[in-house]
Amino acid sequence: DTAVSQTPKYLVTQMGNDKSIKCEQNLGHDTMYWYKQDSKKFLKIMFSYNNKELIINETVPNRFSPKSPDKAHLNLHINSLELGDSAVYFCASSQELGLAGHNEQFFGPGTRLTVL
Amino acid sequence: GENVEQHPSTLSVQEGDSAVIKCTYSDSASNYFPWYKQELGKRPQLIIDIRSNVGEKKDQRIAVTLNKTAKHFSLHITETQPEDSAVYFCAASTEDDKIIFGKGTRLHILP
Repeated sequence: DTAVSQTPKYLVTQMGNDKSIKCEQNLGHDTMYWYKQDSKKFLKIMFSYNNKELIINETVPNRFSPKSPDKAHLNLHINSLELGDSAVYFCASSQELGLAGHNEQFFGPGTRLTVL
Repeated sequence: GENVEQHPSTLSVQEGDSAVIKCTYSDSASNYFPWYKQELGKRPQLIIDIRSNVGEKKDQRIAVTLNKTAKHFSLHITETQPEDSAVYFCAASTEDDKIIFGKGTRLHILP
């Protein structure tokens, strides 16, 4: 069974379009994340949600809007796509921070976004 | 904010030799240090982690050491095998509950 899944796996679109990436986890985790991995493989956190509530919002353009309908889903909507948005986007989830601190993050398979 | 530096960016070792990847961090409040392995075209996966109350942790051929005073931690892979070829990321937690990743090390195991 897939623990963290994302759709689509590949997304090719024109500049200026609006697109969404969906993420679902069946691990029962409370916290979900979106990361952007650029062509140099640098992994940068974009957003973090805990129990449907936004807890981290890094400096990303407001064209990016995460939406969490329930704690098992965290979707990423991107408006007015630009060339620089081309990257691989990873969703991840983890157990809520406990007394011992952070826990392992489980990543989805990634969505390769190409903006033409 | 937290800054995680990782070196080297690329590392080539002969099969059977050891590989060492080093990271430094800036936030003295960091208390969790995971290492992730990302094979080509795949997702990052946790291979080992260490918390600040421990100086060393080992899991078969992989070990991690942590020096909190110097704010650096290292990944050691012994008896390297072809399947160890991948990009490896160190990471550190921050006081505001984020995980910050290093820029990655591309490890090549040479036959």
